[in-house]
Amino acid sequence: DGGITQSPKYLFRKEGQNVTLSCEQNLNHDAMYWYRQDPGQGLRLIYYSQIVNDFQKGDIAEGYSVSREKKESFPLTVTSAQKNPTAFYLCASSVSGSQETQYFGPGTRLLVL
Amino acid sequence: AQSVTQLDSQVPVFEEAPVELRCNYSSSVSVYLFWYVQYPNQGLQLLLKYLSGSTLVKGINGFEAEFNKSQTSFHLRKPSVHISDTAEYFCAVSETGGYNKLIFGAGTRLAVHP
Repeated sequence: DGGITQSPKYLFRKEGQNVTLSCEQNLNHDAMYWYRQDPGQGLRLIYYSQIVNDFQKGDIAEGYSVSREKKESFPLTVTSAQKNPTAFYLCASSVSGSQETQYFGPGTRLLVL
Repeated sequence: AQSVTQLDSQVPVFEEAPVELRCNYSSSVSVYLFWYVQYPNQGLQLLLKYLSGSTLVKGINGFEAEFNKSQTSFHLRKPSVHISDTAEYFCAVSETGGYNKLIFGAGTRLAVHP
């Protein structure tokens, strides 16, 4: 079965702690994305990567970091600099090109203790 | 820059009734248009997309949407809804020739009642 997996499903962060959200895809897609979803605001792009070892900031990158060392993996770290991290985080992947469908993972809900 | 406005945050409807979810966009360049559906606590799934050609696009689960360039709209319709259509629906645009950055609307929550 091809698809995108995200783990964990729920994640709790303590004050001052960095946490990492996992995203893995076996669709052989070059492009991967991280979105943040807040109630009533739709999805906002955090980071995206069009190819291995390359990534760019999206609209709300402050307080987040990513890496893309392998084609199938695009982990997101929520750093202590992100002061309001409580949200639903969605990872997506696609073939390169703006007409292409993005395929989404099931999401990780991050809560602050 | 592009923007997307979904005109209704919530749409309640009775089962087997028709429904229209409205989407307007703003862009200075040509765009592709998408509708995605999100069931509770899940990721998004593509319903349909408009790239070019016929302005009426048919998607999965009996949904269709019509692209209207003069009104910059891409409204989603279904002639008869089911309880299982209860979900959040997102309209999105991406710039043609760009790198596939999607700009999403705020979403419309469709609640189908028996």
